Amino acid sequence: KAGVTQTPRYLIKTRGQQVTLSCSPISGHRSVSWYQQTPGQGLQFLFEYFSETQRNKGNFPGRFSGRQFSNSRSEMNVSTLELGDSALYLCASSLVPTNSPLHFGNGTRLTVT
Amino acid sequence: QQQVKQSPQSLIVQKGGISIINCAYENTAFDYFPWYQQFPGKGPALLIAIRPDVSEKKEGRFTISFNKSAKQFSLHIMDSQPGDSATYFCAALGYTGAGSYQLTFGKGTKLSVIP
Repeated sequence: KAGVTQTPRYLIKTRGQQVTLSCSPISGHRSVSWYQQTPGQGLQFLFEYFSETQRNKGNFPGRFSGRQFSNSRSEMNVSTLELGDSALYLCASSLVPTNSPLHFGNGTRLTVT
Repeated sequence: QQQVKQSPQSLIVQKGGISIINCAYENTAFDYFPWYQQFPGKGPALLIAIRPDVSEKKEGRFTISFNKSAKQFSLHIMDSQPGDSATYFCAALGYTGAGSYQLTFGKGTKLSVIP
C-alpha cells in the first residue's frame, strides 16, 4: 500500500509570493492533517480536514489555508510568504479523525528567500 | 495552550546501552500518547503508543512507561543500536471539541548511538 505522498519535495520561493503544497493520503484514509516543522518550534499543528471540511485549526495566521477534495487529497496554500515560513511542511493521514494513528508523508521543504 | 514538554533535547548513548527520553504534559484530558521516530529527510513514523489505562507497554526493544498521577511518560530503548540514531518525538492526543482531536508534539530528542 502506498504511503502518504507529498509534492513537491522542495520549493524555493521569494517573500510575498504564494505557494501551494499537495498531499495524497494513504488509500482509504479520509482524514488529512498538516503540520509545520521547524528546528525552533518543532511540529506545530496547522489544520485537519475530513470529508472536505476543516474540522480543526491551529494557531496560524489566515495566510495559511487548506482544502480537501472529494478523493481525500488535500492542498495547503500559504499566501504573502514571509521568511519565517521557511519550514518542512508535513501532511499526515488517518482513517478517520479520531485517535487512530497518524501516518506522515516525507514533507515539502519550503525555503523563502 | 496544550503543552508537552520533552527532555533531553539531545542524547548520546553507547551501543548496547539504554536510551531514556522523558515527556510531561499538563492537560489531563489527553488520552493517547504516541511516540514517533524521524530519520533525516523522512517524515515521523509511529513507533509505539500507550493509553492512560496502562502503566507500561513494550514492543521489542522499545518500552513506554506511563505515570498518570505525575502526568509523565517516557520511552526506553533497550540495547540501543546505531540504527536507532534518529529524532524522537513524544505526543499527546486530546479532544478539542466538535468531534475533533488534536495531536500535540514535544520538541523532539535527537538520539545518537555511538559504536
